Amino acid sequence: QVQLKESGPGLVQPSQTLSLTCTVSGLSLTSNSVSWIRQPPGKGLEWMGVIWSNGGTDYNSAIKSRLSISRDTSKSQVFLKMNSLQTEDTAMYFCARGVILDYWGQGVMVTVSS
Amino acid sequence: DIQMTQSPSSMSASLGDRVTITCRASQDIGNYLSWFQQKPGKSPRRMIYGATNLAAGVPSRFSGSRSGSDYSLTISSLESEDMAIYYCLQSIQYPWTFGGGTKLELK
Repeated sequence: QVQLKESGPGLVQPSQTLSLTCTVSGLSLTSNSVSWIRQPPGKGLEWMGVIWSNGGTDYNSAIKSRLSISRDTSKSQVFLKMNSLQTEDTAMYFCARGVILDYWGQGVMVTVSS
Repeated sequence: DIQMTQSPSSMSASLGDRVTITCRASQDIGNYLSWFQQKPGKSPRRMIYGATNLAAGVPSRFSGSRSGSDYSLTISSLESEDMAIYYCLQSIQYPWTFGGGTKLELK
């Protein structure tokens, strides 16, 4: 069955870079895209970006200058990197399958604090 | 960016009630509208896609409809397991944008 699982550090210092991994199973990254979505505590959902099955990417313009999404198809992993973190980047970060968002990971909580 | 205005932001209803939640798009999004359900501490779950299509495994009491730029999620007969926050999402134009959410509580 299709599964996605996010992993990464729970705490990041302000101005530092966040690195998260989404490990997928039950699907191929060469025929599926993966999106990243985040949710600050007690708030709504924000779409961050997507990596397509051909490796191309699209990003939310609000964070595009700080965000990079990449992948390693051999390891079935998708990576998110976001630099210059601030406290407002504190959120639960989710990865989900493609544009249809029919499968989601459990999410990983990231706190930006010194 | 396309703004998705969701209403109401919260509501309380009784078991068996018919409940409707609405999203209004600031631009034409065609049928590129999905609805998600999120329970506390859980990941969102896709309920409706393409404005009116029921996602796999979703109970038939859920339905989606469209009237112009207004999109609605309706629960025909509310059950206790439906208490959650519901979000709409437009996916026709980047950045994809979610509505602000509707918290559905039991009266």
